[in-house]
Amino acid sequence: DAGVIQSPRHEVTEMGQEVTLRCKPISGHNSLFWYRQTMMRGLELLIYFNNNVPIDDSGMPEDRFSAKMPNASFSTLKIQPSEPRDSAVYFCASSLEVSSKGRYEQYFGPGTRLTVT
Amino acid sequence: QKEVEQDPGPLSVPEGAIVSLNCTYSNSAFQYFMWYRQYSRKGPELLMYTYSSGNKEDGRFTAQVDKSSKYISLFIRDSQPSDSATYLCAMSGQAGTALIFGKGTTLSVSS
Repeated sequence: DAGVIQSPRHEVTEMGQEVTLRCKPISGHNSLFWYRQTMMRGLELLIYFNNNVPIDDSGMPEDRFSAKMPNASFSTLKIQPSEPRDSAVYFCASSLEVSSKGRYEQYFGPGTRLTVT
Repeated sequence: QKEVEQDPGPLSVPEGAIVSLNCTYSNSAFQYFMWYRQYSRKGPELLMYTYSSGNKEDGRFTAQVDKSSKYISLFIRDSQPSDSATYLCAMSGQAGTALIFGKGTTLSVSS
């Protein structure tokens, strides 16, 4: 299995530009998560989907951020317009939900390192 | 008070030492507990997973959960330089929901 795939791995853009991050979850997984990691705040949830439906977007900072999951094998996180404070590492993770007391493991992609100048 | 507290370290030990990493949490609804290892400029890698209370062992790694104290631990026996990384604890109340992370403990094992 290739694991969670993210692209691009690095993105450098200027303030005001649109940024799109992409994620391909592990085949067969039914939940997908977008996290952001910074030195100050650590790893924090932005949004997650279950069976392609957004469940919790309370971590999305503001309307400049949007996420979609058009099918089970692809998701995007878009920032428009981008700002310097959006600079961080953005991780996508996926998991397979099983019945209670079963296994629950979340697997992370390699991340996208975003720099907004 | 943050939901999950983790001492950031850094923690420096000689090769072969036993390492103890810990997290405390405040939400009694947490049932799923995980430990991730993150090397510099890499994604978090799942090390150990535990459901509810108890111990789990995998090679040199042992995870413990004490729900009565809201305290989880990861022990690393015979530590190796390759164990040098940041260790993140994470937890959630239900399968399929988002994880709440500690801020991570940076470990350095010297040879």
